[in-house]
Amino acid sequence: EPEVTQTPSHQVTQMGQEVILRCVPISNHLYFYWYRQILGQKVEFLVSFYNNEISEKSEIFDDQFSVERPDGSNFTLKIRSTKLEDSAMYFCASSEIGSVTGELFFGEGSRLTVL
Amino acid sequence: RKEVEQDPGPFNVPEGATVAFNCTYSNSASQSFFWYRQDCRKEPKLLMSVYSSGNEDGRFTAQLNRASQYISLLIRDSKLSDSATYLCVVNFGNEKLTFGTGTRLTIIP
Repeated sequence: EPEVTQTPSHQVTQMGQEVILRCVPISNHLYFYWYRQILGQKVEFLVSFYNNEISEKSEIFDDQFSVERPDGSNFTLKIRSTKLEDSAMYFCASSEIGSVTGELFFGEGSRLTVL
Repeated sequence: RKEVEQDPGPFNVPEGATVAFNCTYSNSASQSFFWYRQDCRKEPKLLMSVYSSGNEDGRFTAQLNRASQYISLLIRDSKLSDSATYLCVVNFGNEKLTFGTGTRLTIIP
C-alpha cells in the first residue's frame, strides 16, 4: 500500500539552528501539507501546497518557515532559526483531490526537539 | 474564529459496549467533516467521512446535525483494538483541516 514517508523520525537541535524535515508524498497525489502536534495538544495546520505554490498557510507559518518541492518526489519543510516552542511532532500529508472532499494520508511524523 | 470542540475524555468502556462521542464546530459554513483516529504517538488516520444524511461503516456510525453544528460518532460492540484517540476534523472550505483536541477511548477487557 502506498504511504507517505518522512525523515528523520527524530531530530534534536539547538535553539537558533536551521532544520529541514523531509517528506516523500504518495506518488500520484497533487496536494501536500505540513501539520504539527505539540505533545499533548491538538494537531495544527501549518501549510498546504498545490501546483508548486503555497495555497494556504496558518499564523504559525511565519517567515521562519518555508516549504519546497525541489524535485518530483520530495516535499520539505525548513525552519530557519528554531525556537524552543518549535518542539513538536511534524506530520507531512498528501491527498489526491484535496482536503475538502478527500482523504489525507499522513506520514509517521518527524519529532523535533529544540534544546 | 473557526474552532472544533470535543470532550477530551478519557472514556473507559468495557469490551462489547456501545460508546458515543460528540463534537461541536463553530462555523455554520463548514464544508466537510471527518473522524480521524490517532493511536498513541502515531499519525492520524481517516476513520470515516461524515455525510449530511449520516453514514455507517460496520460498527461505526457517524451523524451530522448542521442546524446544531455538531457531529457524532457511535461505536457499537467495542473491541480492544478500538482503544485510541478519536479526532473530530472539519474543513471550513479551504485546503486546511481543523482538528479537535480528540477524545481518548480505552476499551477495558
